[in-house]
Amino acid sequence: DTGVSQNPRHKITKRGQNVTFRCDPISEHNRLYWYRQTLGQGPEFLTYFQNEAQLEKSRLLSDRFSAERPKGSFSTLEIQRTEQGDSAMYLCASSFRETQYFGPGTRLLVL
Amino acid sequence: QKEVEQNSGPLSVPEGAIASLNCTYSDRVSQSFFWYRQYSGKSPELIMSIYSNGDKEDGRFTAQLNKASQYVSLLIRDSQPSDSATYLCAVTLNAGKSTFGDGTTLTVKP
Repeated sequence: DTGVSQNPRHKITKRGQNVTFRCDPISEHNRLYWYRQTLGQGPEFLTYFQNEAQLEKSRLLSDRFSAERPKGSFSTLEIQRTEQGDSAMYLCASSFRETQYFGPGTRLLVL
Repeated sequence: QKEVEQNSGPLSVPEGAIASLNCTYSDRVSQSFFWYRQYSGKSPELIMSIYSNGDKEDGRFTAQLNKASQYVSLLIRDSQPSDSATYLCAVTLNAGKSTFGDGTTLTVKP
């Protein structure tokens, strides 16, 4: 059973550009979560899906962020008009029940 | 006040000693509790999960949960230099989002 995979692993972009990240969960995991983590902080919840339904989205999440999981399998997270403050590690996790397993993350640097 | 608070680090212990990591949470209805280990530049790796009051042991690791006191702890026995990492406490309700503490950095000195 392969783990959670994320692509790309690293992304450098210029302020104002759009970026999209992909997450492939562990097969048969029906829940998929996105978190963001900055240096010295714990992961901060962004949004999560059960199958293809987006069940919760953080109130702190700007309208520039959108996530999809169209077929209940992989998910994409898009950030539009990136800002320097978006620089962080973006983590994806999946679960079948309560326990979440994390992917390797995508490290974003906005110049 | 943060929803999940961990004892401030860094924590340094000698090799072979017991490392004790603590976590408190504010939401009384929280149901599931997790400890993750995170090496620098890497993603969190699950170490332990605990759902009911009491102790749960797995090898050198013991998680303790006290829901009345809203307290979770992790004990690492016979600490090894490879245990040096940041340990994250996470709290979850109904298999939804997890709320994480900011972590405690542990250094095990040879």
